[in-house]
Amino acid sequence: AQRVTQPEKLLSVFKGAPVELKCNYSYSGSPELFWYVQYSRQRLQLLLRHISRESIKGFTADLNKGETSFHLKKPFAQEEDSAMYYCALRTGAGNMLTFGGGTRLMVKP
Amino acid sequence: GAGVSQSPSNKVTEKGKDVELRCDPISGHTALYWYRQSLGQGLEFLIYFQGNSAPDKSGLPSDRFSAERTGGSVSTLTIQRTQQEDSAVYLCASSLAGIGGSDTQYFGPGTRLTVL
Repeated sequence: AQRVTQPEKLLSVFKGAPVELKCNYSYSGSPELFWYVQYSRQRLQLLLRHISRESIKGFTADLNKGETSFHLKKPFAQEEDSAMYYCALRTGAGNMLTFGGGTRLMVKP
Repeated sequence: GAGVSQSPSNKVTEKGKDVELRCDPISGHTALYWYRQSLGQGLEFLIYFQGNSAPDKSGLPSDRFSAERTGGSVSTLTIQRTQQEDSAVYLCASSLAGIGGSDTQYFGPGTRLTVL
């Protein structure tokens, strides 16, 4: 069975500091990984996906199959990055997403 | 354009009552998903509809939960004989095709269910 683990429930950094939100997954096949974000009083929305290899709002994430990780990184955090971040996995067995427990990022001024 | 909408936004019910939660997907989206967001369990998949295919019900936690999708559009999630552990935010999402790595799921605002 597939599983997504986000070891940190809360991550607090100062504005301008680098940030890394950790995500590890377990799945024996070829995974598709995503990061979703939920800002305060807004709906859950896609931030980025590994197949696009894109940078969104300064965030990047690289899939490391050897370490089964998909950590989300940003070199200089901004206050508006404060939100709940979820790592998600989609397997070939179906189209549903398996989510991690989420990490709340707080960026302090 | 209009996104995924859900109603009601909040629902308070008594233990043992039945509830119905509604989801209106984005027009033209063939795939529809229900997830549950609760304090103890995080975000869990419940059920997935793709076009006219039989739904994937593998995430439904018990036979008290059921869902249908009428006319390939609106979906209703029904919880019978509600229990306190059913209290959660129920999220609906839809996507254009439901297949392929580029398919994006768009989420609704959720229905917050409280079972007293």
